[in-house]
Amino acid sequence: DGGITQSPKYLFRKEGQNVTLSCEQNLNHDAMYWYRQDPGQGLRLIYYSQIVNDFQKGDIAEGYSVSREKKESFPLTVTSAQKNPTAFYLCASSIELASDTQYFGPGTRLTVL
Amino acid sequence: AQSVTQPDIHITVSEGASLELRCNYSYGATPYLFWYVQSPGQGLQLLLKYFSGDTLVQGIKGFEAEFKRSQSSFNLRKPSVHWSDAAEYFCAVGAYNFGNEKLTFGTGTRLTIIP
Repeated sequence: DGGITQSPKYLFRKEGQNVTLSCEQNLNHDAMYWYRQDPGQGLRLIYYSQIVNDFQKGDIAEGYSVSREKKESFPLTVTSAQKNPTAFYLCASSIELASDTQYFGPGTRLTVL
Repeated sequence: AQSVTQPDIHITVSEGASLELRCNYSYGATPYLFWYVQSPGQGLQLLLKYFSGDTLVQGIKGFEAEFKRSQSSFNLRKPSVHWSDAAEYFCAVGAYNFGNEKLTFGTGTRLTIIP
């Protein structure tokens, strides 16, 4: 089955530690995205990638980093510079940046202890 | 910049009753409009979208939405809800000539279904 997988489902981190969230898709999509979701707020775009080896900052990129070395993979690193990292993180992909449909993964809930 | 308002944080509906979730947007040109649904602890799934043409759009799971330019609204409706419709619903607006990097999501409406 084609789709997007995110791992782990739950992640706990101590303050001051970097942590990497995994996102893999087998849909052969060019564009991939990372969103952050907080209670009572809509999704906010962290980073997006239009194609392999290219990525751009979204609305709330500070304290985060990404890479796009392979078409199917778009890992997100939450660094110690992110002041409030506890949130639900969603990865998504689409055929291209202008495609009207995004497909979302199941999400990773990150908790900072 | 565009914005989206979902005035209702939480709605409770009896199973079998009709449903309307409100969405108001602000955008200077013709918007692209979307409704997504999210089950607890899961990702989002696209219900329907409006780009142009017929202002009444049909989606999956029996949902429909109507674009009303004069009211800047894109309300989601279902004539008879099922217990499985309990979820959070997000309205989103996209900008003409831009891609998903310019998609703005509302804060969501949580739907509870009672027997």
